Amino acid sequence: DIVMTQSPDSLAVSLGERATINCKSSQSVLYRSNNKNYLAWYQQKLGQPPKMLIYWASTRESGVPDRFSGSGSGTDFTLTISSLQAEDVAVYYCQQYYSTPPSFGQGTKLEIK
Amino acid sequence: QVQLVQSGAEVKKPGASVKVSCKAAGYIFTGYYVHWVRQAPGQGLEWMGWINPNSGGTNSAQNFQGRVTMTRDTSISTAYMELSSLRSDDAAVYYCARDKEGSGYPAYNFDYWGQGTLVTVSS
Repeated sequence: DIVMTQSPDSLAVSLGERATINCKSSQSVLYRSNNKNYLAWYQQKLGQPPKMLIYWASTRESGVPDRFSGSGSGTDFTLTISSLQAEDVAVYYCQQYYSTPPSFGQGTKLEIK
Repeated sequence: QVQLVQSGAEVKKPGASVKVSCKAAGYIFTGYYVHWVRQAPGQGLEWMGWINPNSGGTNSAQNFQGRVTMTRDTSISTAYMELSSLRSDDAAVYYCARDKEGSGYPAYNFDYWGQGTLVTVSS
C-alpha cells in the first residue's frame, strides 16, 4: 500500500500570507503512459465532510478559488494557498489514487496566526 | 445539484451490525461509483470500498473484507453500507462519496460527499 505523509502536521499563517502544505508518497503516483499524477487535495472544515480542491495534482476543481494551487510530481507534492483568508481554516488532506487501496495523508491543520 | 444524503446517527453494541444509507440526487445514480470512507474521532480518512450502482458489483479494502456489505437500490437511488461484528474501534463518522469519473471504471477520487453518519459503538 502507498503511504502518504504530510508536513507539517499543523500550520499557523497570517491573513493574506501564503500557506504551503507538503505531501510525500512512499512510491511514485505518476503514471507514465498518460503523464498524470494520481494525487488529489481535500479541505475539511470542522464538522463538515471533505471537499475536493485539486485533482491530477494541479487541476482545480470547479468553483475552487484560484488562490488554491497544487504542484509537484512523482512522490513530492505541494498545496499552496496564495493569500490566506479566514474561511480557509480547515484540515487539508492529500490522497493518492494511483493504486488501491486509495490512501490519504494524516492531515495538516491550518490556522490563523 | 448533486447531493448525497445519509441516514442518521446510530448507537450499537459490540458485535452488532450497522447499516448506513446514502441517497443520491441531482445526477444519474447508475452512472457513478459510490465509495465509503470512514473517519475515526480526531483521525484521518480511511477508504472502505466501492459499489458500482449499475451492476451492483463491489470491492472492499482488505481491512474490511468479510465484515462489510455494500448494496444499492436503483429504484430509489440509494446505496447502503452494512458493517458487521462491530468493535469499539469501528466508532467513526462514515461517509459515502461519489467517484469523480462517470466512466465504467472507478477513479478512486471523490468529488461529492455525504454529510456523514456517526456510528457509536458502546456496551
